[in-house]
Amino acid sequence: GAVVSQHPSRVICKSGTSVKIECRSLDFQATTMFWYRQFPKKSLMLMATSNEGSKATYEQGVEKDKFLINHASLTLSTLTVTSAHPEDSSFYICSAPGLAGGNTQYFGPGTRLTVL
Amino acid sequence: GQQLNQSPQSMFIQEGEDVSMNCTSSSIFNTWLWYKQDPGEGPVLLIALYKAGELTSNGRLTAQFGITRKDSFLNISASIPSDVGIYFCAGHYPSGGSNYKLTFGKGTLLTVNP
Repeated sequence: GAVVSQHPSRVICKSGTSVKIECRSLDFQATTMFWYRQFPKKSLMLMATSNEGSKATYEQGVEKDKFLINHASLTLSTLTVTSAHPEDSSFYICSAPGLAGGNTQYFGPGTRLTVL
Repeated sequence: GQQLNQSPQSMFIQEGEDVSMNCTSSSIFNTWLWYKQDPGEGPVLLIALYKAGELTSNGRLTAQFGITRKDSFLNISASIPSDVGIYFCAGHYPSGGSNYKLTFGKGTLLTVNP
């Protein structure tokens, strides 16, 4: 149980375009999901908390108009990187709290974004 | 926000050796989690700890929730080549805002020489 998927696993786009990344909880419902960004050989940096049926909560320094988050259902959250630039190239990972409770989170496999 | 100090940053060991890594915090945490991340993949949960003093094993892995609630360690016994990866500790502290929001250590890069 507690499987989280992400799509796509890799995406390459041109500068100025928008890219949507999906995060799905496959065998459980998640009213909350989290979006992280990870640079090479670095730890995970929390970008925002995605809340089903309400606005996402963004961490300090994260532009909400650039990283649009929509949590339209109990099993799906999307992150859209708008007007992407090369500096947005990174590894984006989502997570969701699992059924075990106690603040445990299960992570998706990640999406490698490369902006040319 | 709160920070976790994870050490060591990296380890180079021989196959068969035991490994130990730890995380400390200046604040009390109510959950400690240990993850392993392979290159190009998302972190995979290894062990979850919920109570001070709790000692939990998962195969060759053993982790403990420190009695002071400010630290945790992860031990790997009889290491094998597939143990290679980055190990992250993560925790949730009581005043950390929304439920489930985690703080991460900077990771320990483990290299195992066959």
